[in-house]
Amino acid sequence: DTGVSQDPRHKITKRGQNVTFRCDPISEHNRLYWYRQTLGQGPEFLTYFQNEAQLEKSRLLSDRFSAERPKGSFSTLEIQRTEQGDSAMYLCASSLPKWGYTFGSGTRLTVV
Amino acid sequence: DAKTTQPPSMDCAEGRAANLPCNHSTISGNEYVYWYRQIHSQGPQYIIHGLKNNETNEMASLIITEDRKSSTLILPHATLRDTAVYYCIVRAYTGGFKTIFGAGTRLFVKA
Repeated sequence: DTGVSQDPRHKITKRGQNVTFRCDPISEHNRLYWYRQTLGQGPEFLTYFQNEAQLEKSRLLSDRFSAERPKGSFSTLEIQRTEQGDSAMYLCASSLPKWGYTFGSGTRLTVV
Repeated sequence: DAKTTQPPSMDCAEGRAANLPCNHSTISGNEYVYWYRQIHSQGPQYIIHGLKNNETNEMASLIITEDRKSSTLILPHATLRDTAVYYCIVRAYTGGFKTIFGAGTRLFVKA
């Protein structure tokens, strides 16, 4: 286990379709974060899990977005009824309480 | 909103030290300074963090002023591979909690 894995790396979907992304954190990290990043901007916080509990959600996370982390291991981020404005890089990160985040390489979503 | 201020871009000659400044005048006593960098098309990479003492690791040095209102990340011998966006962030050690990223500094290392 050498890092945070995200799948898929790229996703192209038609507007209105549902998509689901997966994140596998570093196994001993109990904290997991989802961020969204658009071109030229820094990552924007979406949501945070400590173990299986979702402790904070951004206002950016509309009703069409849902995230889960069953059993406190991997996490999924689902976007329902995708819109063109959802096109972005979706980043997952994990951490231990004392240290900086380890980010995955991200899933690039393109909604056409 | 991000609690830090960074210049939007900087240039550095290859082999020279790159000094990236960050202002965090509203930093709280329990907040640490973290630095990350992001190379194109990759996720951000953790570099270093500190509270009030200067820190050094294999990647960089972090110099924090005595009043903790600003800091400087130093890449001692910049290479072309150090061209990236560098983010300075402040956050508390305890709690979650979400890290707020600003726009960062785009560092261009030139041959």
